[in-house]
Amino acid sequence: DTEVTQTPKHLVMGMTNKKSLKCEQHMGHRAMYWYKQKAKKPPELMFVYSYEKLSINESVPSRFSPECPNSSLLNLHLHALQPEDSALYLCASSQVGTTQYFGPGTRLLVL
Amino acid sequence: AQSVTQLDSQVPVFEEAPVELRCNYSSSVSVYLFWYVQYPNQGLQLLLKYLSGSTLVKGINGFEAEFNKSQTSFHLRKPSVHISDTAEYFCAVTQGGRALTFGSGTRLQVQP
Repeated sequence: DTEVTQTPKHLVMGMTNKKSLKCEQHMGHRAMYWYKQKAKKPPELMFVYSYEKLSINESVPSRFSPECPNSSLLNLHLHALQPEDSALYLCASSQVGTTQYFGPGTRLLVL
Repeated sequence: AQSVTQLDSQVPVFEEAPVELRCNYSSSVSVYLFWYVQYPNQGLQLLLKYLSGSTLVKGINGFEAEFNKSQTSFHLRKPSVHISDTAEYFCAVTQGGRALTFGSGTRLQVQP
């Protein structure tokens, strides 16, 4: 089983809202990732967690706040987003240093 | 630093014709190579990967790719495409467990 699940599938939020994206995997992977993908572009790495610790932050604005409560779960907390943050947010997981498996994504629209 | 180049942004092809999607990479060290497919409004699905061993790699849906170290290429091929293969295809590279670097993507458009 190589399934990564993400909720919600779609999210519409205002610029003053606080919302969270959730990602879950039960493959025993110890690395989890958040990517942002704009239309007709490749995914851009945002954050990497390795063994539940943040190992990479690609200079992402503080209005995005990741959290890894346990080895199976990854959250992305959103606050005071801008319209340009509208995108597809993809979660991925892997054994550390190997093949990444992606979830279906959350399509976010910021109004 | 590593980088990936997908020279073709779009590849139109007729159904049942063969197709090749090109991918070149640059890296000073050994790399792992991947092809992912993204159907409209979906996430990325792993098509195939090269980690080590045989340079000809077979993946899902009848796709295969060949790792060519001397030409730093990892081209994706399928002998006969279907309408359902219409999607965006991303080549990606990682070295030593670092994060993936993606190419810009190739849109495969299969026409009847």
